[in-house]
Amino acid sequence: EVQLVETGGGLIQPGGSLRLSCVASGFTVSRNYMSWVRQAPGKGLEWVSIIYSGGTAYYTDSVKGRFIISRDNSKNTLYLQMNSLRVEDTAVYYCARGIRLTTLDYWGQGTLVTVSS
Amino acid sequence: QSALTQPASVSGSPGQSITISCTGSSSDVGFYNYVSWYQQHPDSAPKVIIYDVSNRPSGVSNRFSGSKSGNTASLTISGLQGEDEADYYCTSYTTAAIPGVFGTGTKVTVL
Repeated sequence: EVQLVETGGGLIQPGGSLRLSCVASGFTVSRNYMSWVRQAPGKGLEWVSIIYSGGTAYYTDSVKGRFIISRDNSKNTLYLQMNSLRVEDTAVYYCARGIRLTTLDYWGQGTLVTVSS
Repeated sequence: QSALTQPASVSGSPGQSITISCTGSSSDVGFYNYVSWYQQHPDSAPKVIIYDVSNRPSGVSNRFSGSKSGNTASLTISGLQGEDEADYYCTSYTTAAIPGVFGTGTKVTVL
């Protein structure tokens, strides 16, 4: 059974850093493209970052230079290192598995990141 | 990169059909046949219901159908049921900085 479990969210002050983890089971992270998608409170979905099986990574403009997506194949885990956090980064962050371009077939339960002083 | 444009809300009575539009540009919806639709109930993760414009994943009701014309994709829900009350988001492959963009989202209300 495919499962994705995110951890690492919490309350952090502006300018701080957090690392989100997404432990996968039932499939191999490195053989799929993986994504982080976020949803600010009461708002819509926003694609934050994508990493393809070959390792190429993409970021939405608002997080470029601050966030880094990576994976640990030995732990079958996806990460999102978030630096220089801003109030507007407050959101539930979901990790998701991609099977076709724009098709995310499995999602985690989400982890809430709150950036506030 | 700008989000795809969807109506904020659509409503219908049980048994009726409704259609949600998703308008992009020639750099995304109009150029690629990689449009997906997601259903999201409150406090839940999104679920894919349509991929590659008009294909349904296994287990998704055939009351959901997708299509595309020019720069606009559409999701039609036929035989509307109470369980269809949710938020719906389209996505498209795009040539922007990140190769995926979501729509603004549509809240479907069953009257």
